[in-house]
Amino acid sequence: DTGVSQDPRHKITKRGQNVTFRCDPISEHNRLYWYRQTLGQGPEFLTYFQNEAQLEKSRLLSDRFSAERPKGSFSTLEIQRTEQGDSAMYLCASSLGFSGSPDTQYFGPGTRLTVL
Amino acid sequence: GQQVMQIPQYQHVQEGEDFTTYCNSSTTLSNIQWYKQRPGGHPVFLIQLVKSGEVKKQKRLTFQFGEAKKNSSLHITATQTTDVGTYFCAGRHNDYKLSFGAGTTVTVRA
Repeated sequence: DTGVSQDPRHKITKRGQNVTFRCDPISEHNRLYWYRQTLGQGPEFLTYFQNEAQLEKSRLLSDRFSAERPKGSFSTLEIQRTEQGDSAMYLCASSLGFSGSPDTQYFGPGTRLTVL
Repeated sequence: GQQVMQIPQYQHVQEGEDFTTYCNSSTTLSNIQWYKQRPGGHPVFLIQLVKSGEVKKQKRLTFQFGEAKKNSSLHITATQTTDVGTYFCAGRHNDYKLSFGAGTTVTVRA
């Protein structure tokens, strides 16, 4: 299967700990997105990369959150000093990324974070 | 907050009946996408609408984009148990960013 993959699928951590999630996009996709989804809501945009460049960060992304895509392939999302309010599903998506054309985003299975 | 409103939040349907879910944006969209998320799953892309007034069909699903490109609808005919899940619309306001609605969660009575 060459879809978007995410690791781990589930993460349980104690408040105050740091966590890191990984996303591997579809191989030829230039754009990579991170979203957060809480129960009963649609995915909320966090940040996006065009190749290795991080081009936008949502106001939802506090200073405790950092995302990287060092080689323009996989990406990591790190949350420092986790809080209970960080508990959510973290979704990664990727797209081909041709400017000016409809650009379908394909989602990975998500990482479900639970902060105790 | 989300700029795309979606109604209804819940839809309980008798198997075999039809239903429609609606999506509205306060601003003009460049395009709109629809996703389906099964319980415990992740959003799966269904379709993308780009042109004003566009209508697309996928078997029992009919998707429509409004003339002003501010609203969209998904109509499902002859609902089946396999239609269970949450349907999200996602509006694109610029080159890359999607704003998702809160979704319509569909349950089916056999």
